[in-house]
Amino acid sequence: DIQMTQSPSSLSASVGDRVTITCRASQGISNYLAWYQQKPGKVPKLLIYAASTLQSGVPSRFSGSGSGTDFTLTISSLQPEDVATYYCQKYNSAPLTFGQGTRLEIK
Amino acid sequence: QVQLVESGGGVVQPGGSLRLSCAASGFTFSSYGMHWVRQAPGKGLEWVAFIRYDGSNKYYADSVKGRFTISRDNSKNTLYLQMNSLRAEDTAVYYCAKDLIDYMTTGTHFDYWGQGTLVTVSS
Repeated sequence: DIQMTQSPSSLSASVGDRVTITCRASQGISNYLAWYQQKPGKVPKLLIYAASTLQSGVPSRFSGSGSGTDFTLTISSLQPEDVATYYCQKYNSAPLTFGQGTRLEIK
Repeated sequence: QVQLVESGGGVVQPGGSLRLSCAASGFTFSSYGMHWVRQAPGKGLEWVAFIRYDGSNKYYADSVKGRFTISRDNSKNTLYLQMNSLRAEDTAVYYCAKDLIDYMTTGTHFDYWGQGTLVTVSS
């Protein structure tokens, strides 16, 4: 099975910073990758699918890129409400594996 | 608006069984694949199972294959997860989630999630 590895596992950044989270697949998955945001105590929310397509209603400061094995989620200007854990998820085929998550905090 | 409401969680002994339900509304249930995703306390997300919109295809995580069964009743707009031979490591909040894309044979990604139901496996 394909493994999904996120880095870093946690990070702390200041409001207004540009933040990048990386997700690496153990084998190529084309662009079959989604990103989710889970705020503390809340249900996960879909941010991006097809590696770079922004889900309706998601702020434009979020963007995704990549194809094959290497993907990134970028927050162009970090806001206080972006404190959350972020997960990537591959869906080229079953099993639909998640990365282990990246916890994002405000410095 | 789309609503997914899980029920059926609780405390069960190791080796026991439990059946989860997810009542769906606000969309054409019979047109979308559905998933179960779980999250152990303080841990990350783990996809559990997928069922095609018409129930004809099902996929499972290796960790639950042979023990869990996903099913659906499109006449009742309800998704199910039958969990047998439960283990301590199955303790988690179980979410049902709707696939973003209609009429897909295999699962993709999840645009709506329920609030989850907690399953605790303990003696």
